[in-house]
Amino acid sequence: DIQMTQSPSTLSASVGDRVTITCRATQSVNSWLAWFQQKPGKAPKLLIYDASTLERGVPSRFSGSGSGTEFTLTISSLQPDDFATYYCQQYNGASPWTFGQGTKVEIK
Amino acid sequence: QLQLVESGGGVVQPGRSLRLSCAASGFTFNMYGMHWVRQAPGKGLEWVAVISYDGSDKYYADSVKGRFTISRDNSKNTLFLQMNSLRADDTAVYYCAKAQRPFTMIVMGTWGQGTLVTVSS
Repeated sequence: DIQMTQSPSTLSASVGDRVTITCRATQSVNSWLAWFQQKPGKAPKLLIYDASTLERGVPSRFSGSGSGTEFTLTISSLQPDDFATYYCQQYNGASPWTFGQGTKVEIK
Repeated sequence: QLQLVESGGGVVQPGRSLRLSCAASGFTFNMYGMHWVRQAPGKGLEWVAVISYDGSDKYYADSVKGRFTISRDNSKNTLFLQMNSLRADDTAVYYCAKAQRPFTMIVMGTWGQGTLVTVSS
């Protein structure tokens, strides 16, 4: 199975900061990658799919890039509502769906 | 308004069974693949199972294969997860999620609010 590794596991940042989270796959997933945001006690919310396509209604400060085995999620200017845990997930058809372990974005 | 509402969670003894339901509304249920994803307390997300829009294709995580069965009733807009031989490490919040695009299974778009399953003696 394809394993997904996110870095860092925890990130401390301030409002207005540019934030980047990295996700690496153990083998190529092409562009079959999604990013989710989860707040405590809530269901995950889809932010980005196909590595770089913004889900409808998601603010444009979120962006995704990458292909193959290395991907990034960038928040261009961190807002108070963005403090949450972020997960990457691959959906390469040849392997079961797998998530990264998560990156918690905390207030600095 | 698109809505997914899970039910059926609770406390169950190891080795027993439980069936979860996910009631869908606000979209054409029989056009979308559906997933179950779980999250153990304080842990990350784990994909559990997926079923195609018409129920013809089903896939499972190795951790639940042979014990869990995903199914759907398109006439009732409902997704199910039959969980047998439950173990302590099955304790989690179970979410259902709708595929983002019709006639596919790949991207999990909208999620329900989850239902907690606790396996304990």
